[in-house]
Amino acid sequence: GDSVTQMEGPVTLSEEAFLTINCTYTATGYPSLFWYVQYPGEGLQLLLKATKADDKGSNKGFEATYRKETTSFHLEKGSVQVSDSAVYFCALSDYGNNRLAFGKGNQVVVIP
Amino acid sequence: DGGITQSPKYLFRKEGQNVTLSCEQNLNHDAMYWYRQDPGQGLRLIYYSQIVNDFQKGDIAEGYSVSREKKESFPLTVTSAQKNPTAFYLCASSLRDVSYNEQFFGPGTRLTVL
Repeated sequence: GDSVTQMEGPVTLSEEAFLTINCTYTATGYPSLFWYVQYPGEGLQLLLKATKADDKGSNKGFEATYRKETTSFHLEKGSVQVSDSAVYFCALSDYGNNRLAFGKGNQVVVIP
Repeated sequence: DGGITQSPKYLFRKEGQNVTLSCEQNLNHDAMYWYRQDPGQGLRLIYYSQIVNDFQKGDIAEGYSVSREKKESFPLTVTSAQKNPTAFYLCASSLRDVSYNEQFFGPGTRLTVL
């Protein structure tokens, strides 16, 4: 079935550093791709999405490009803030069952 | 304001007891979902429903049950058959086609079995 793989382990970095979180996927057909963010003690919020190859999703300084050739949707931000500390989930739509498949998430900690 | 509400935020139960988690949405969404979140495991789908009076098992449905009698409501019952029920439970809803439409999440219920 369709699946999403995120890089292992938490990410700790200093304020104003560059953030990259890797996401690769396996899917039949042409899924839509999403990044969700979860702040401590809360539910998930959509951060950005891309619905076809070469689309770039962007929001709040975060960007991700749908790369069909490498089956990737890596999340990037040029200068992180302490308020970006959260868990980030990559997800794809599963056309067969009309549901989302989520990666395991990455904890991001930004140190002042 | 439109959104999803889950209650209660924290729930404690004794082993062997069934417990029902509430999920209500006023977004007029057809589809609703229940996820379980454990540390390091990401989100795992328990049940989902694309329309009233219909629902499908997700990846980890054993020990759980749901109903969808109203469009706005999708309660989840954690039964005594669930072997390890302590977790954070998230409810979500969306327009029916998730290919293009985001899922909106509630704030979650943290269930602890004593």
